[in-house]
Amino acid sequence: EPEVTQTPSHQVTQMGQEVILRCVPISNHLYFYWYRQILGQKVEFLVSFYNNEISEKSEIFDDQFSVERPDGSNFTLKIRSTKLEDSAMYFCASGNPLGSSTDTQYFGPGTRLTVL
Amino acid sequence: AQSVTQLDSQVPVFEEAPVELRCNYSSSVSVYLFWYVQYPNQGLQLLLKYLSGSTLVKGINGFEAEFNKSQTSFHLRKPSVHISDTAEYFCAVSPQTGANNLFFGTGTRLTVIP
Repeated sequence: EPEVTQTPSHQVTQMGQEVILRCVPISNHLYFYWYRQILGQKVEFLVSFYNNEISEKSEIFDDQFSVERPDGSNFTLKIRSTKLEDSAMYFCASGNPLGSSTDTQYFGPGTRLTVL
Repeated sequence: AQSVTQLDSQVPVFEEAPVELRCNYSSSVSVYLFWYVQYPNQGLQLLLKYLSGSTLVKGINGFEAEFNKSQTSFHLRKPSVHISDTAEYFCAVSPQTGANNLFFGTGTRLTVIP
């Protein structure tokens, strides 16, 4: 069964440093997403990406965050200057429009980001 | 705006007993409804979803959920739980338009007791 992959599984960084989290979505999916889960809290939507541009973003997704699909397979989340409160598990997901024959968002295993 | 409420943060239940995990939602637009499961140190796995049609939805691992529009609820049930069902369960909604972003509840920790 196809799956979403994410690298690295764990990233440790110093406050103020830039980090890039990488994801390989499922190949025939059209929508890509980033979510985050702060330890002990709920999963929160960050951003969705469709047709090579941001479709929607939450209030969390401020100017420190950016997403990119640099090639035909990878989907990245960049945090320009990390803060302590950015420490969380970051999940990538991909899917197709709900109601289509190949809908459903599939989630990757996550990248645990620790900001020191 | 959408919000999801899972009133029970923890639910302990004995093995082979039935369980119901409650989920209520509010939304200004029509939504789709989901239940995801998260096993320790793993990502989110879809259990079931309601898009349209029959309000009783069957998912994987013997779980089912019933959509009740008048009560804005989507409770998850299983008639007989197994030790392996111990996990965190998240209810989520998605607007029926746009990119179908998911909005999650705070989760219910199901612990199955041998």
